[in-house]
Amino acid sequence: ETGVTQTPRHLVMGMTNKKSLKCEQHLGHNAMYWYKQSAKKPLELMFVYNFKEQTENNSVPSRFSPECPNSSHLFLHLHTLQPEDSALYLCASSYGGVGGELFFGEGSRLTVL
Amino acid sequence: GIQVEQSPPDLILQEGANSTLRCNFSDSVNNLQWFHQNPWGQLINLFYIPSGTKQNGRLSATTVATERYSLLYISSSQTTDSGVYFCAVEDTGNQFYFGTGTSLTVIP
Repeated sequence: ETGVTQTPRHLVMGMTNKKSLKCEQHLGHNAMYWYKQSAKKPLELMFVYNFKEQTENNSVPSRFSPECPNSSHLFLHLHTLQPEDSALYLCASSYGGVGGELFFGEGSRLTVL
Repeated sequence: GIQVEQSPPDLILQEGANSTLRCNFSDSVNNLQWFHQNPWGQLINLFYIPSGTKQNGRLSATTVATERYSLLYISSSQTTDSGVYFCAVEDTGNQFYFGTGTSLTVIP
C-alpha cells in the first residue's frame, strides 16, 4: 500500500472535456509535486506546493490548473487538452517542505483523443 | 540545471545474474535517490543516498559525491526486478533532476 494515492489510474478524455486528477498523501508531508512522464523522456516537473502555497510553475500551459486545498491533497484540473498531453502524470510528496526524499504515487495515465 | 546521465540505457539479464547501473551527474548535489518504476508506472523508492553505501537485501548503492556518480548493484536478479531504474538528484536549491533511466529486463 502506497502512502501517496492517485485517482483515477487511467483516464481517456476528448480535447473539449474537463476532468481532474486527484492526489492524496497519508505521510504527513508538507510539499507536494506534479510530474509529467512522456515516453523516452525524463520526468518533467510541473508544479510544486509547499505548505499549500504554490512555489513552482515550470512554464506549464494554462490548460493545466493545479489546486492544493491542504497539505494532504493535490488536484490537477484539465481542460481543452491536446493529444500531445497524453502521458503518465505522477504525484509526489516530501517531508518538511521542498526537497528531501520524494515519495511517488502510482500515477494517472492520461490519453487525450 | 544539473545533467543526469544513466547507463546503460537498456539491459537484459538472465535470472540469477548480477548487474551494475550507473548514474553520473554534472554538479554538486544535496541528495540522490534511486527508484524502480514498476510495470504499472509507480516509482518505488530504493535508496536515499547522498553519499556512502547502503544495502537492502539483494540491492545496494554507492554514491561518491566528490566524483559525481552513484552505482546501483543488483545481485541474483529476479524477473520481478524488471522495470526502469531512475536516478534523481537534488541540487542546493532543492530542485530535482531525473535521468532518463535504465530499462532492465530479467528473463527466466
